[in-house]
Parts: sequence; structure tokens; C-alpha cells
Amino acid sequence: AQKVTQAQTEISVVEKEDVTLDCVYETRDTTYYLFWYKQPPSGELVFLIRRNSFDEQNEISGRYSWNFQKSTSSFNFTITASQVVDSAVYFCALSEARIGNTPLVFGKGTRLSVIA
Amino acid sequence: KAGVTQTPRYLIKTRGQQVTLSCSPISGHRSVSWYQQTPGQGLQFLFEYFSETQRNKGNFPGRFSGRQFSNSRSEMNVSTLELGDSALYLCASSLDAPTSLRREQYFGPGTRLTVT
Repeated sequence: AQKVTQAQTEISVVEKEDVTLDCVYETRDTTYYLFWYKQPPSGELVFLIRRNSFDEQNEISGRYSWNFQKSTSSFNFTITASQVVDSAVYFCALSEARIGNTPLVFGKGTRLSVIA
Repeated sequence: KAGVTQTPRYLIKTRGQQVTLSCSPISGHRSVSWYQQTPGQGLQFLFEYFSETQRNKGNFPGRFSGRQFSNSRSEMNVSTLELGDSALYLCASSLDAPTSLRREQYFGPGTRLTVT
């Protein structure tokens, strides 16, 4: 069965600090996709990144970076020089790609508060 | 291009009533998924429709149903509402079919349902 664990329920940082959000997943499949979504107070889930299981290259997009390590089944997300606008709940999700894609399975989310 | 729209945004119903929520996907998207978000259970998959056919179903009772129309708009219905059905209901649309390995889901702002 697939499972996503985000052990950090809430994190609070001061503006300009770096912060890493942890994500650990479980799956029996060799082909799967991992995602990160951001949910601001408005409620809408905003897509941040998708990574397939065959691509372990880390990715950087501006202040955001992602570290995918299959050996530890982790897909961590780092925000560099955090800003108040980064305050939101962040979700990690997994989708297996067996016979057709399975639906997204989400972690419980990490609430990030960036204090000015 | 307009994003995913959901109506209504807020809804208050009484236990035992039934409710219908609507989702209009991004123009050209043919796949619509529904998720329920509660503080206790987090984000859980309800069902997915593609080309007017239900392709995947989550582990929810039969009181939860949905459908998709020829224009890809989707509705979900909850009959005999219970207090535990109070949640944020999120709809997501995707350009690709559920079997596509490339697909990305784009979420709407959600409908917040309160059952009293």
C-alpha cells in the first residue's frame, strides 16, 4: 500500500531563514510520481513540482529546491531565504503508475509560518 | 486561461439533507478528480471521472456519488449528510487521461461544506 508521511506538523521560522520540509513515502511499485503542493489560506492547492521515480536529479527553481533520494524513500523540499508569502500548508503526495495512474495519496501536510 | 472553478464556495446544510457540488475544469481538460479534506483525515481521494466515466473510486460510502457531463463539468452529490461530512471538497482537473504518466492535476479553490 502506498503511504506518505510528513512528520513535521508545524514549522515556524523567521524571514530569510532556510527551511526544509520532510517527506517520506512508501510504495511497492518501481514506477511512481511524487508531488509537492502548496495550500495558502485561500484553500486552493497550488502545484509546485512533479518528480518521477526514475529521475533522482535534484531540482532547483528559484528559492525552492527538492532533494529526491530513493535509498531513503524521501523527497524533501527546501525553501531558501524564506519570505512571509511562503506561509502556507505544504503537502507531499504520491501516485503509483501501475495499471493506469492511481489517485494522489497525500501526506498530512506541514504548516509553515514565516515570521517577519 | 481560467482555472478550475467550483461552486458554491461555501455551503451550510443540516444533517440528513443532501447536497450537490459543481466543478468546471480548465478548458480542454477531460479528467476531473474529487478530494475531501478534513483536519482529522487530511486529503482523501473520492473519485475520478474521464470522458463521462468513473475511472477510480476511493474508499467512501455510497452516499457519495458523482458524475461528469459531456462538457467535462462534474458534480458530486452527498446524500443523507452526516456531521462528519463537514469538509473542504476539492476538485482537480487534468488534461491527460488517468492512465497517462505525464499528467498533472490542477486544483480549484474548493467548496467548504458545513453540516449542522
